[in-house]
Parts: sequence; structure tokens; C-alpha cells
Amino acid sequence: AQRVTQPEKLLSVFKGAPVELKCNYSYSGSPELFWYVQYSRQRLQLLLRHISRESIKGFTADLNKGETSFHLKKPFAQEEDSAMYYCALGGLTGGGNKLTFGTGTQLKVEL
Amino acid sequence: EPEVTQTPSHQVTQMGQEVILRCVPISNHLYFYWYRQILGQKVEFLVSFYNNEISEKSEIFDDQFSVERPDGSNFTLKIRSTKLEDSAMYFCASSAPGPHEQYFGPGTRLTVT
Repeated sequence: AQRVTQPEKLLSVFKGAPVELKCNYSYSGSPELFWYVQYSRQRLQLLLRHISRESIKGFTADLNKGETSFHLKKPFAQEEDSAMYYCALGGLTGGGNKLTFGTGTQLKVEL
Repeated sequence: EPEVTQTPSHQVTQMGQEVILRCVPISNHLYFYWYRQILGQKVEFLVSFYNNEISEKSEIFDDQFSVERPDGSNFTLKIRSTKLEDSAMYFCASSAPGPHEQYFGPGTRLTVT
């Protein structure tokens, strides 16, 4: 069964401090991992995916298959990073890609 | 930039009534999804739809739920006889074929009284 765990409901950091949002997953196949972000009163939008290995808005995430983790990191938090962050696990089934979400972590960046 | 749209943004209905939630996916996408999020809980997969049929559904998606693509642009979720526990935010998403990004709509907040 697919499962995603985000242990922190709320993470509060000061502006300029490093950020790490934790995500662990459980999946028997070849996982596809994503981070989605939801800013206040906006829709869910993709922040990054492990397969593209890019940095978006200064955020990076590395898939660690040994630790089954996909933690989201940013060296210096900005006020505009305050949002809800969801880790999601996808797996190809019949050509589609059902996503299993974690419970989300609310990131609050304080001045 | 094309976006997934959903109507209505908020629907209030009485227990036992039927509701239809509507979505317009991005026009060249072929895969369509419904998710729901009960207040304070995580986003949960309901169903995926491809080539005019359900490709996968969760255990939540029981006989009271159905999906349809009636006219080549809309994608609907029908709940036949709503229950109090159906109150949630319902998100539609669409994607291009293969392991591509899913684009989400803004959601419909369903309140069952």
C-alpha cells in the first residue's frame, strides 16, 4: 500500500533560517515523488518532482530510497514561502498516476 | 496559462440530496481525477478517469459516487444521496499522458446539512 508521512503539522522558522520539511514514504514499486504547495486561498500547485531534479524558488528535494525519504529543503526561508506543503507519492497504474498525499506541513516564516 | 476550473465554488445541500460537481480540465489533457479533503484531514484520491472509463478508484468511491465526461469538455462527479460525512473540499485534476504533473482546480466546498 502507498503511504506518505509528514510528521510535522506546523513548522515555524525565522526569515533567513534554513528550512527542512520532512517526508517519508512507503511504496513497493518505483516511486514518483512530488511536493505540492498551497498558498493562502489558492489552488494546489506543483512545486517540484524528484524526476526533474531541479530547484524551484530555492527549494530542493532529494529522493533517498534507502531511507524512503523525500525531504524538502531551502537554505534561507523567505516570508513568501509561508504556505501549506504537501508531499505526494505517485505510481503509474494503467497509464494514470494516482497521487497519495501526506497530511501536509504548514510552514510559517516569521520576520 | 490554461487552468482547471471547477463550479460551483461552494455547494450547500441537504442530506439525501443528489449533487453534481463540475470540472473543466485543461483541453489537451487525457487523464482526469477527483480528490477530496475533509476539513483538517489530508487530500484523498477518489477516482481516475481515462478514455471514457474509470481507470482506478479508491474504497471511498462507492456506489453513491459516479463520474462522467458528458460532452468532451466537462468532467463531473455525482453524489447520488449525500451524507453528512460527504462534507469536504472536492478537487478536480487533470494531466497529460504518462507520469506528468497533475494540475488541480480551485476546489468545490461541499457542505451537507
